[in-house]
Amino acid sequence: QKEVEQDPGPLSVPEGAIVSLNCTYSNSAFQYFMWYRQYSRKGPELLMYTYSSGNKEDGRFTAQVDKSSKYISLFIRDSQPSDSATYLCAMRIQGAQKLVFGQGTRLTINP
Amino acid sequence: GAGVSQTPSNKVTEKGKYVELRCDPISGHTALYWYRQSLGQGPEFLIYFQGTGAADDSGLPNDRFFAVRPEGSVSTLKIQRTERGDSAVYLCASSLLAGATGELFFGEGSRLTVL
Repeated sequence: QKEVEQDPGPLSVPEGAIVSLNCTYSNSAFQYFMWYRQYSRKGPELLMYTYSSGNKEDGRFTAQVDKSSKYISLFIRDSQPSDSATYLCAMRIQGAQKLVFGQGTRLTINP
Repeated sequence: GAGVSQTPSNKVTEKGKYVELRCDPISGHTALYWYRQSLGQGPEFLIYFQGTGAADDSGLPNDRFFAVRPEGSVSTLKIQRTERGDSAVYLCASSLLAGATGELFFGEGSRLTVL
């Protein structure tokens, strides 16, 4: 079993829809949680960062962490075709620099 | 340039050959990372440098893989006796400091194909 599980999709939704992306993990030592966006043939870029449990909002993006359930989510409101990309969750334990990534979910927003 | 630069962008080689992949991080970034991304998978950690030293090389899969950063800036990932299973995109990332935010700046990667 992988440390971080993420449904690879693909996920296809109409423009304007609310998108929900999720990851589960098994290592309770993870303290830092991130979401990266990766366009085709590009490197990942950081979207959201959360420390420990709670919610964080940035524009159309909301990240949630539920450590008791070992479950993290990313919500995208008013989705746009430009949001079409692969979304990767990533996490690490305190004191370590190694990021553990999920498999990535491929998302397509249809105009 | 302003971002992380990786060369070559594409490399095709034959099984058993030696390969070097280069990473030029963002100027002033002290932390440098190598990850490997296989098709349809998330990046997998290989090694992390703080300055010139490899602070964590626990992700290197075997002794065919080696990385250096002699002057604390440019890094080279070296793969000996390449195997078909080494085919992947090798991503380099840098960060200003090895810190809590996890904001790594990734390059576009070097796509390695071993025939």
